[in-house]
Amino acid sequence: RKEVEQDPGPFNVPEGATVAFNCTYSNSASQSFFWYRQDCRKEPKLLMSVYSSGNEDGRFTAQLNRASQYISLLIRDSKLSDSATYLCVVSKAAGNKLTFGGGTRVLVKP
Amino acid sequence: DTAVSQTPKYLVTQMGNDKSIKCEQNLGHDTMYWYKQDSKKFLKIMFSYNNKELIINETVPNRFSPKSPDKAHLNLHINSLELGDSAVYFCASSQVGGESYEQYFGPGTRLTVT
Repeated sequence: RKEVEQDPGPFNVPEGATVAFNCTYSNSASQSFFWYRQDCRKEPKLLMSVYSSGNEDGRFTAQLNRASQYISLLIRDSKLSDSATYLCVVSKAAGNKLTFGGGTRVLVKP
Repeated sequence: DTAVSQTPKYLVTQMGNDKSIKCEQNLGHDTMYWYKQDSKKFLKIMFSYNNKELIINETVPNRFSPKSPDKAHLNLHINSLELGDSAVYFCASSQVGGESYEQYFGPGTRLTVT
């Protein structure tokens, strides 16, 4: 079983719609959680950290469920520019090595 | 100014050759990393250096040898290249122990071994 698993998609989303997807992690000792975004043929960039109480950054909302060992990302009012691969990332400790999921591809269409 | 830079951006070479990829960061970070992203898009850590000391060394063939001359540079040398080494190699840096643990990635080096 992979340490971090994601539905690879693609999620085809009409512009303006809401899309949500999850990521599961296998190591219960994981402490830090992140969503990174990777555009085609580009480097990954941090989208947001995920906190225990859940957090929101503009149109993006991240949730953490430690009991079920999954994190989620919800994108509201999708824009064409949201088309990308979203990488779920976990770490056993702050600053420790990051373990990446395989990514969920999102395609926002007009 | 580019925060994390890598050279070259593209590298095409034949099996058996030796090649190096260079990475530099101007963010003042103390930790640098090498990642490999294969054709299935999985991003896996290979090495990490903190203040020029190797702190993470994943199960990587010993044909791969990282070198950190100073904390702003982390180079990757690959001996006897194989077809399976074809991938995108990303360098990254972060400040461990700071307020944010965000890792900043370089633009990647696309290595093709023929």
